[in-house]
Amino acid sequence: EAQVTQNPRYLITVTGKKLTVTCSQNMNHEYMSWYRQDPGLGLRQIYYSMNVEVTDKGDVPEGYKVSRKEKRNFPLILESPSPNQTSLYFCASSWLLWTGELFFGEGSRLTVL
Amino acid sequence: DQQVKQNSPSLSVQEGRISILNCDYTNSMFDYFLWYKKYPAEGPTFLISISSIKDKNEDGRFTVFLNKSAKHLSLHIVPSQPGDSAVYFCAGTSYDKVIFGPGTSLSVIP
Repeated sequence: EAQVTQNPRYLITVTGKKLTVTCSQNMNHEYMSWYRQDPGLGLRQIYYSMNVEVTDKGDVPEGYKVSRKEKRNFPLILESPSPNQTSLYFCASSWLLWTGELFFGEGSRLTVL
Repeated sequence: DQQVKQNSPSLSVQEGRISILNCDYTNSMFDYFLWYKKYPAEGPTFLISISSIKDKNEDGRFTVFLNKSAKHLSLHIVPSQPGDSAVYFCAGTSYDKVIFGPGTSLSVIP
């Protein structure tokens, strides 16, 4: 089954404790991206990757890091989480981005205390 | 600077009637426009798209209209069903980005 898998789905952590949200896709997609969803703001792009070893900042990259060492994986790293990073996070992938058809994971709800 | 706007946070429609969701954009460089649907506790799923060179695309009960001169697009759902109750995101694409609007929550009342 074609899918984008994120882990963990739910996480409560404390300020400053490094964490990683993993994302894996099995569709051989070139493009992968991370979004955060906040009330009234919709989905805002954090980072994206056009291909292996190629990453770039989205609209809200501050406080986040990513890496793309393999085509299928695109982890999101919060080196020192802060309460304003409490949000719902989505990983997405696509074969042909310019048509905009993204496949999303089920989301990871992160709470930073 | 919000490039994609959905000015109605919510919409309620009676089952069987038409639902019209609206979206405005400011970026003239978008190549495609899309609608995504999102149920609670799930990721968004692609619903329908339209190329920037077209003015209408239809897929079953769903039709998207694009008015480039007004920088406006709309999604029509006819007839609306209770299972259509969800949050709908409008989005525009350029070379390396998909820009989403804030979403409209649609409730279809049986």
